[in-house]
Amino acid sequence: DAMVIQNPRYQVTQFGKPVTLSCSQTLNHNVMYWYQQKSSQAPKLLFHYYDKDFNNEADTPDNFQSRRPNTSFCFLDIRSPGLGDAAMYLCATSRALRIYSNQPQHFGDGTRLSIL
Amino acid sequence: QQQVKQSPQSLIVQKGGISIINCAYENTAFDYFPWYQQFPGKGPALLIAIRPDVSEKKEGRFTISFNKSAKQFSLHIMDSQPGDSATYFCAASGNDYKLSFGAGTTVTVRA
Repeated sequence: DAMVIQNPRYQVTQFGKPVTLSCSQTLNHNVMYWYQQKSSQAPKLLFHYYDKDFNNEADTPDNFQSRRPNTSFCFLDIRSPGLGDAAMYLCATSRALRIYSNQPQHFGDGTRLSIL
Repeated sequence: QQQVKQSPQSLIVQKGGISIINCAYENTAFDYFPWYQQFPGKGPALLIAIRPDVSEKKEGRFTISFNKSAKQFSLHIMDSQPGDSATYFCAASGNDYKLSFGAGTTVTVRA
């Protein structure tokens, strides 16, 4: 049973048209992460929430925003997508901030975003 | 600057052979070293992980070897099967929330 669910699996949007990707989790984990993964590259962390506390990575463009209305859901908003934002977007969760053997990160299957 | 260096970028192995992927790190604060397996169109899935107080960990056909003094760790896939064809990422984490990923290795197992 999927524990980190991302919708939609594929999303096509137009250049400059805002888009929202969603993630839900059934693990009741405190931490939710958003990663961007481009073809043949490792995932790149954009930001994370610990409960309601938001932490943006220093090199995440302002174009990317996130919302976490409750424990189970987290959204990634791209305000004005550019061609360079085409990628797989991965959501992950963990029980605590400290990543360790008994509290690893669990990834969803991602949303593949295409920009026309 | 990539904190975890992974090699090779890709490898091809015959069914039944051994696949070996190597990773090296510099940050001595790292204390958790997971390996993720990712199939096309899927998210990374935790495969196996090790702590630096252990030199080797085995789960089924997958073994991590860890050399703390050399700051290196490796994944060995024994008796490789076509279903093992995937991209493998090593990663490392210290006393914080971040996973530092290697660049990934695409493994192709030929039948």
